[in-house]
Amino acid sequence: DAGITQSPRHKVTETGTPVTLRCHQTENHRYMYWYRQDPGHGLRLIHYSYGVKDTDKGEVSDGYSVSRSKTEDFLLTLESATSSQTSVYFCAITGATNQPQHFGDGTRLSIL
Amino acid sequence: GENVEQHPSTLSVQEGDSAVIKCTYSDSASNYFPWYKQELGKGPQLIIDIRSNVGEKKDQRIAVTLNKTAKHFSLHITETQPEDSAVYFCAATVYNFNKFYFGSGTKLNVKP
Repeated sequence: DAGITQSPRHKVTETGTPVTLRCHQTENHRYMYWYRQDPGHGLRLIHYSYGVKDTDKGEVSDGYSVSRSKTEDFLLTLESATSSQTSVYFCAITGATNQPQHFGDGTRLSIL
Repeated sequence: GENVEQHPSTLSVQEGDSAVIKCTYSDSASNYFPWYKQELGKGPQLIIDIRSNVGEKKDQRIAVTLNKTAKHFSLHITETQPEDSAVYFCAATVYNFNKFYFGSGTKLNVKP
């Protein structure tokens, strides 16, 4: 299995608090992605990175920011969490965009 | 951007029967099509993929077919087993384009 670790695996927090999710890879892959998964919506792209300090928005980026200061780590931050951001968040990596993505096991985030 | 539609959203088959999941895509430039299986509490795992220069690919009980003219591709699972029960996602992307586009998923239930 690809070396991807997401942390934390579960988190419960309150509306208005900041939240940071971490994705750590040991594959030295160039591309890293953050998705959210909600019933009926499949996987929706939040942000992605195509290199250190190179990031871009996905289709549901409002309310989220990301940072990638080194190849192995990609952080997703909710500056002020809202209940609509309750979801399961997945990180994915790939070495090239004509290769499959490999996914972490997800972070279940509940915002009360 | 690309739009991937996946059908059906749920599929129930008897053990030993075949299952077929279909996806359509909108961007004729898409040239890489992976399929993922997601088990409960886990991240999606690649099960098979196909590139646009190939019409069909098989791996034991799993096969994928691609019709570029009609812009659709399908996953075929033969001799289904209870352990095939999971959610399946199709995806499409264009080489050198950073994003992957996912279908909304099919929940497959194989009844023993």
